[in-house]
Amino acid sequence: QVQLQESGPGLVKPSQTLSLTCTVSGGSISSGSYYWSWIRQPAGKGLEWIGRIYTSGSTNYNPSLKSRVTISVDTSKNQFSLKLTSVTAADTAVYYCARGPAHFDYWGQGTLVTVSS
Amino acid sequence: DIQMTQSPSTLSASVGDRVTITCRASQNINSWLAWYQQKPGKAPKVLIYKASSLETGVPSRFSGSGSGTEFTLTISSLQPGDFATYYCQQYNTYSFGQGTKLEIK
Repeated sequence: QVQLQESGPGLVKPSQTLSLTCTVSGGSISSGSYYWSWIRQPAGKGLEWIGRIYTSGSTNYNPSLKSRVTISVDTSKNQFSLKLTSVTAADTAVYYCARGPAHFDYWGQGTLVTVSS
Repeated sequence: DIQMTQSPSTLSASVGDRVTITCRASQNINSWLAWYQQKPGKAPKVLIYKASSLETGVPSRFSGSGSGTEFTLTISSLQPGDFATYYCQQYNTYSFGQGTKLEIK
């Protein structure tokens, strides 16, 4: 059974960089034709796809966030990561990692990141 | 960018009711649509993929239909655990609908 787990700081200061890691267990991140995505959800609001990575390193990003987002993968650690720069209060949300490539069949439990000084 | 619009935003229903949620895409997405159920404090759970395929383990009272730009999720007989928020998602460029909150009447 594949499991995903997000980790990283729960509090980030405005203008700084948000960094999260998703650790995949129960299977190799490199096996199968899967893409690995980040999705976020502000409190009481809907879901927003941030971007995805294939294990080759190929990435796709939401155009609305593209200038601030970097997603990377470390296959040796079975992890992929998110960096979001120049954060503001509008980036406060629960951040999820999930497995694609089409619908998202496995999700992490989510981690709340608050942007505040 | 492909916009996904769900209706209604809120739906009040009773246990045993048949309910339908609609999702419209701003352009043709063929059958590249999924439906998710989300309960408070939990990650979304996929119910339907490719518009009408039932995810393994999901009860058969859930069904999906549609193609192109108009899609529906139907729950044939509501159970107590079905009261949640439902999202559609197109997986051409991955945008989600705004959600439909299904609440107890």
